[in-house]
Amino acid sequence: DAGVIQSPRHEVTEMGQEVTLRCKPISGHNSLFWYRQTMMRGLELLIYFNNNVPIDDSGMPEDRFSAKMPNASFSTLKIQPSEPRDSAVYFCASSLGGEETQYFGPGTRLLVL
Amino acid sequence: GESVGLHLPTLSVQEGDNSIINCAYSNSASDYFIWYKQESGKGPQFIIDIRSNMDKRQGQRVTVLLNKTVKHLSLQIAATQPGDSAVYFCAERSDYKLSFGAGTTVTVRA
Repeated sequence: DAGVIQSPRHEVTEMGQEVTLRCKPISGHNSLFWYRQTMMRGLELLIYFNNNVPIDDSGMPEDRFSAKMPNASFSTLKIQPSEPRDSAVYFCASSLGGEETQYFGPGTRLLVL
Repeated sequence: GESVGLHLPTLSVQEGDNSIINCAYSNSASDYFIWYKQESGKGPQFIIDIRSNMDKRQGQRVTVLLNKTVKHLSLQIAATQPGDSAVYFCAERSDYKLSFGAGTTVTVRA
């Protein structure tokens, strides 16, 4: 069975550029989560979607970050403009429901120069 | 604020020995606890979970213990193997929100 799919796996960009991260959740899962992982702050929840609707975006750092889920099988996390402090590994996770086990994708390692 | 924390950041264990990884939590409203394993360059992988109405749960070579009195969670790995080398995170859940601990790096010595 395919797990959560993320692309790209690695992204190197220059400060000020737009970055778009993509996620395909596990088929049949109706909850999707975006996390950011850094050495300093560990794993942080950025945003949570349920049935394609954003339920909690309180973890989104600032207006430069936006996330969408146009359908049940696709979500994007966009950073515009990107800054060096955005460098981190970004994970997408999905679950059958908000209170079910979350399964993580392989992550996108982002480096902003 | 409330947080999940780990007692030890690193653990070195001889292959074949048992491993015990500890975790403290502080949110008494958490009703569900999970252990994840993260290998280098990969995402967190679900290992085992336990609900707050239980105090022990066993899986294949792993056992999770929950002590609600002292808000302590532990993961025991039996007969540790080289493939068990990874960072282990405990996480507590309240509603849909997972709060992760800092992680314990487990290194298995041959």
